[in-house]
Amino acid sequence: QQQVKQSPQSLIVQKGGISIINCAYENTAFDYFPWYQQFPGKGPALLIAIRPDVSEKKEGRFTISFNKSAKQFSLHIMDSQPGDSATYFCAASGHNFNKFYFGSGTKLNVKP
Amino acid sequence: KAGVTQTPRYLIKTRGQQVTLSCSPISGHRSVSWYQQTPGQGLQFLFEYFSETQRNKGNFPGRFSGRQFSNSRSEMNVSTLELGDSALYLCASSPGQGAEVDGYTFGSGTRLTVV
Repeated sequence: QQQVKQSPQSLIVQKGGISIINCAYENTAFDYFPWYQQFPGKGPALLIAIRPDVSEKKEGRFTISFNKSAKQFSLHIMDSQPGDSATYFCAASGHNFNKFYFGSGTKLNVKP
Repeated sequence: KAGVTQTPRYLIKTRGQQVTLSCSPISGHRSVSWYQQTPGQGLQFLFEYFSETQRNKGNFPGRFSGRQFSNSRSEMNVSTLELGDSALYLCASSPGQGAEVDGYTFGSGTRLTVV
């Protein structure tokens, strides 16, 4: 059973547009929700993370929106740039933080 | 400071052989986790080691094993390789205590191809 479901699988956005990637989870014991960015040939890199006691977290052009009652969270990339073209993964873990469940990934292509 | 180092970067092995992959975590990090990444299954958790002890394990067969040394370096071993073991194997390190989880850092991975 997939613990974290991610959509869409791929996304094409024009430069300057907003990219939105969504994730949903089932396990209410999860309490840490990071987003990772992965470029070809590289390992995933932590982009931004949120805990369920807040509904939104913003870092630069990246924002996580979190809806605890719906068990959903999303990544918004404002003013998307070609350099943002990468694969994005959402993830979740419990309070012990020593096992992460990842979404299936979204391949983002930002057109110049 | 140096990041997570995984060696080798690429490996080609024959079905039935065994393979050992190595991971050197960020200095001071005591937790090392291993993940398998494939196009079909995405990122799947293999196991996590903290202070030389396996603290958590994913749903992989016993052919997949690992260990951690006193200097926090970790190795994972896959025995009796199958074609389906072809994947990118990623190692991630963190300080290992919950409040510092934002320090979870991945290496660039080892690309294993089984022929």
